[in-house]
Amino acid sequence: QKEVEQNSGPLSVPEGAIASLNCTYSDRGSQSFFWYRQYSGKSPELIMFIYSNGDKEDGRFTAQLNKASQYVSLLIRDSQPSDSATYLCAVNILNAGNMLTFGGGTRLMVKP
Amino acid sequence: DAGVIQSPRHEVTEMGQEVTLRCKPISGHDYLFWYRQTMMRGLELLIYFNNNVPIDDSGMPEDRFSAKMPNASFSTLKIQPSEPRDSAVYFCASSRGPGTEAFFGQGTRLTVV
Repeated sequence: QKEVEQNSGPLSVPEGAIASLNCTYSDRGSQSFFWYRQYSGKSPELIMFIYSNGDKEDGRFTAQLNKASQYVSLLIRDSQPSDSATYLCAVNILNAGNMLTFGGGTRLMVKP
Repeated sequence: DAGVIQSPRHEVTEMGQEVTLRCKPISGHDYLFWYRQTMMRGLELLIYFNNNVPIDDSGMPEDRFSAKMPNASFSTLKIQPSEPRDSAVYFCASSRGPGTEAFFGQGTRLTVV
């Protein structure tokens, strides 16, 4: 089992819809969870982080964390074509020196 | 702060040649990471440093790869000799500490022909 898993996609949603991106992780001791966005040919950029169970909202983005289920998700409301990118989930893994381990990413396509 | 700075942005080299990638982390960040990204394998951690000391190099694929961090503001990743399968985008990232967000440089796209 990979330490951080994501569906590679592509996830295709129409403009204006809610995009739901999911990530599961293996280390029950993980405390820090990050979502990065990576446009084609660019570097990953941080868009959200979450440390506590529940929801965290920032504009059109909501991160949801459920530590009991070892599950973190990212919701994008009112999806725009400019949101089309690969979204990477990153989790601190204790047996990896507490360093961030990245999932393989989910490619999101928002169609006008 | 200018962010993490990598050079060169693009590198094309012939098989067998030595390649050196460079990175300047964000000032004040104690951790520096080297990643490799390919379509097949995604983003892989090659090595990371804490306070200029290599901590975990288990991700370095072969002895042909080496990394150094002579001071807090500079690191290199060297491939010698390079092979076509080393073609990838190499990212450098830095962070303040374990479990904190990593900030990425713009990457170096390496092509070995």
